[in-house]
Amino acid sequence: EVQLVESGGGLVQTGGSLRLACTASGFTFSFYWMTWVRQAPGKGLEWVASIKEDESEKRYVDSVKGRFTISRDNAKNSLYLQMSSLRAEDTAVYYCARDYIIDYWGQGTLVTVSS
Amino acid sequence: QAVLTQPASLSASPGASASLTCTLRSGINVGTYSIYWYQQKPGSPPQFLLRYNSDSDKQQGSGVPSRFSGSKDASANAGILLISGLQSEDEADYYCMVWHNSASVFGGGTKLTVL
Repeated sequence: EVQLVESGGGLVQTGGSLRLACTASGFTFSFYWMTWVRQAPGKGLEWVASIKEDESEKRYVDSVKGRFTISRDNAKNSLYLQMSSLRAEDTAVYYCARDYIIDYWGQGTLVTVSS
Repeated sequence: QAVLTQPASLSASPGASASLTCTLRSGINVGTYSIYWYQQKPGSPPQFLLRYNSDSDKQQGSGVPSRFSGSKDASANAGILLISGLQSEDEADYYCMVWHNSASVFGGGTKLTVL
């Protein structure tokens, strides 16, 4: 069974930093692209970033370029999202998801950015 | 203009069929894109339903019933999610997604009410 478990969310001040983590199990992690998607309270889904199996390719939505960094550790079956210069509009539930198909999702972790 | 446009809401009766549309922005040809569909129920992460490119190139999500199917309407430049034999449990938000210019883009979502 594919499982994705996010951690690291919380309350952070505007301009602050936070690192999200996602631990994967139930599939061969190193064989798949991995993706972060977020959902602001009461709003729709927004793709944030994706990373290729070997980290050779990383893609970001324009609104987070230069502020967020996606990375992975295949030996630990883990995906990360380093977020800096956080803004109020980054407040959302952040989902870890498998592949560019985005076929499996974690339960999400809430990030709240407030002054 | 958004890359993907979905109607905000749709209502249908139990046992009927519902056709959810995902219209691509003018200048972006639906014929060249795979359309991904997701279902999200309140308080839960999204679930991958299916990917549709053509009748010979499509993918059903794991455990997703065959009454969920995809198609395209070239004349409307739209992807379509057809749900047949509607059940009360199908009441949810539905999102479409495409990969466009190396970025994933979600539609704004359609709230389906089964009544």
